[in-house]
Amino acid sequence: EDKVVQSPLSLVVHEGDTVTLNCSYEVTNFRSLLWYKQEKKAPTFLFMLTSSGIEKKSGRLSSILDKKELFSILNITATQTGDSAVYLCAVELSSNTGKLIFGQGTTLQVKP
Amino acid sequence: EAQVTQNPRYLITVTGKKLTVTCSQNMNHEYMSWYRQDPGLGLRQIYYSMNVEVTDKGDVPEGYKVSRKEKRNFPLILESPSPNQTSLYFCASSPGLAYKNIQYFGAGTRLSVL
Repeated sequence: EDKVVQSPLSLVVHEGDTVTLNCSYEVTNFRSLLWYKQEKKAPTFLFMLTSSGIEKKSGRLSSILDKKELFSILNITATQTGDSAVYLCAVELSSNTGKLIFGQGTTLQVKP
Repeated sequence: EAQVTQNPRYLITVTGKKLTVTCSQNMNHEYMSWYRQDPGLGLRQIYYSMNVEVTDKGDVPEGYKVSRKEKRNFPLILESPSPNQTSLYFCASSPGLAYKNIQYFGAGTRLSVL
């Protein structure tokens, strides 16, 4: 069975801290891995990763994929209260369905 | 502004009363999909559509119907809603599988079935 597992499920940090969110997966046919941020509404796209070892960066956020060990990490440096959200990891299968398998999400709370 | 629009945003209904949740995108995307989000279960795909008149079941299609008569619209129909369909629903669209399948989500519809 295809599955995506995120850890930790929840995390509380203080502003300025650096956090690392984990996403591991076991799927039959991997095409890509996506990270989304969800703040009480629609998930918004952060990154898409398809190749191992290539880090994607956007401001204080960065992500990397390891296709050999089947995991990805999302790093957030110098966290701010606006980073508080649920972070979703999803794996796209290479079947002809466009299907995304989502993890349960990591709830991040950044305290002032 | 490029967006996926769902309506209504909130809906309370009773068991057995047919309802439709509309979804429209203005990005000329080929691929559209419906998900439901439940605590502890994450987002699960209900139905998807590769293009006009092409729809197929996702992981949890029971109790739902969809149609794709036009490229921009992908309504979700609950013919006879039941309490176990109480959930948060998201519509998503992407350019299509021949491109990067980055799915963009609507704001969500919170449905309560009493």
